[in-house]
Amino acid sequence: AQTVTQSQPEMSVQEAETVTLSCTYDTSESNYYLFWYKQPPSRQMILVIRQEAYKQQNATENRFSVNFQKAAKSFSLKISDSQLGDTAMYFCAFSPKASGTYKYIFGTGTRLKVLA
Amino acid sequence: DTGVSQDPRHKITKRGQNVTFRCDPISEHNRLYWYRQTLGQGPEFLTYFQNEAQLEKSRLLSDRFSAERPKGSFSTLEIQRTEQGDSAMYLCASSLAGANYGYTFGSGTRLTVV
Repeated sequence: AQTVTQSQPEMSVQEAETVTLSCTYDTSESNYYLFWYKQPPSRQMILVIRQEAYKQQNATENRFSVNFQKAAKSFSLKISDSQLGDTAMYFCAFSPKASGTYKYIFGTGTRLKVLA
Repeated sequence: DTGVSQDPRHKITKRGQNVTFRCDPISEHNRLYWYRQTLGQGPEFLTYFQNEAQLEKSRLLSDRFSAERPKGSFSTLEIQRTEQGDSAMYLCASSLAGANYGYTFGSGTRLTVV
């Protein structure tokens, strides 16, 4: 079975500092997608960053970047220059390509609090 | 287009009653997904439509659950004979077919069964 593990239920970071959220996954597939989604309190889930497994280059989106280690099945999210608006639940998600459904398997999330 | 809309935002129902939720996806998106999120957990896949065809259903979707997407536009998720264990946030998401660029999620419908 494919699983996604986020081992940090809660984290906090000072404004303007850098924080890294961990995610590991288990799969026997070779081609898949990985995502980080942000869910602010009482608001909808928003895509933060996306990585295709066959691409070795780590994805970056402004202050957000990932460290994708395919052999280790690790996909961590680094947030630089943290802002108060980054306070949210962050979910890591795995999506296998083979089925064509593009359904996601989510982790249990990491609650991030940015402190002023 | 204002994104993915879900209605209602909140629903409180008595055990045993039927409820129906609606999702209006982004108009150009032909893929539509339903997920369920319980407290402290990540969303879990329920079902997937491409246009009007329901192509996959999770084992989580018991016989009491039914979903439709007539004419490939909006979708409804109905739960019959609700149970307390059905209390959750029901999330709808849509995307374009083709490469997996990620979903656009709605704000969800929070169901409380009392």
